[in-house]
Amino acid sequence: GAGVSQSPSNKVTEKGKDVELRCDPISGHTALYWYRQSLGQGLEFLIYFQGNSAPDKSGLPSDRFSAERTGGSVSTLTIQRTQQEDSAVYLCASSPTGLDTGELFFGEGSRLTVL
Amino acid sequence: LAKTTQPISMDSYEGQEVNITCSHNNIATNDYITWYQQFPSQGPRFIIQGYKTKVTNEVASLFIPADRKSSTLSLPRVSLSDTAVYYCLVGDRGSQGNLIFGKGTKLSVKP
Repeated sequence: GAGVSQSPSNKVTEKGKDVELRCDPISGHTALYWYRQSLGQGLEFLIYFQGNSAPDKSGLPSDRFSAERTGGSVSTLTIQRTQQEDSAVYLCASSPTGLDTGELFFGEGSRLTVL
Repeated sequence: LAKTTQPISMDSYEGQEVNITCSHNNIATNDYITWYQQFPSQGPRFIIQGYKTKVTNEVASLFIPADRKSSTLSLPRVSLSDTAVYYCLVGDRGSQGNLIFGKGTKLSVKP
């Protein structure tokens, strides 16, 4: 498809387990973002990748959270030793360089439930 | 990044014009104002962006006064399908980085 693709769409896990969430950005988009949205809340910035630059990790809530972006394309968000408060929808967005508006194109998110 | 303030919720009826105002008192010279729309179970979607005065597209209009300390998103003749959360963002388009979305305004359109 032409849009941002995220997988899995839903993930239920037990407290203490590790989870990996995947994001396939739109082809050619150099910028990639991860946000977290808890129920009824706004979007919380997690991490931002831009080309080959060092990522902006300022939004990661703890050292249990990490993210990679391999080959400037696919990104994986990893949450280690999950806690119940990690339950949320994790949204990925991408944006091309040179687009005047800086518009972000979002995926439909990965809903994480930690039991 | 400039902080924005917008109403938590608004109610409207089909066919009415809806105006959602966002305050951004600390907007910087290079900052643009961007609005996104989010439907339940979906990611946000770009609606409109402006720097000053008025911008109009097929979906909405954006009014920005001369001091740029606020902006108003105007949705003409809303329908039930316009029920969504609307986010106002302020930032430099050249360094989008950690865009702050906030909680947005939940618009409920009733028949």
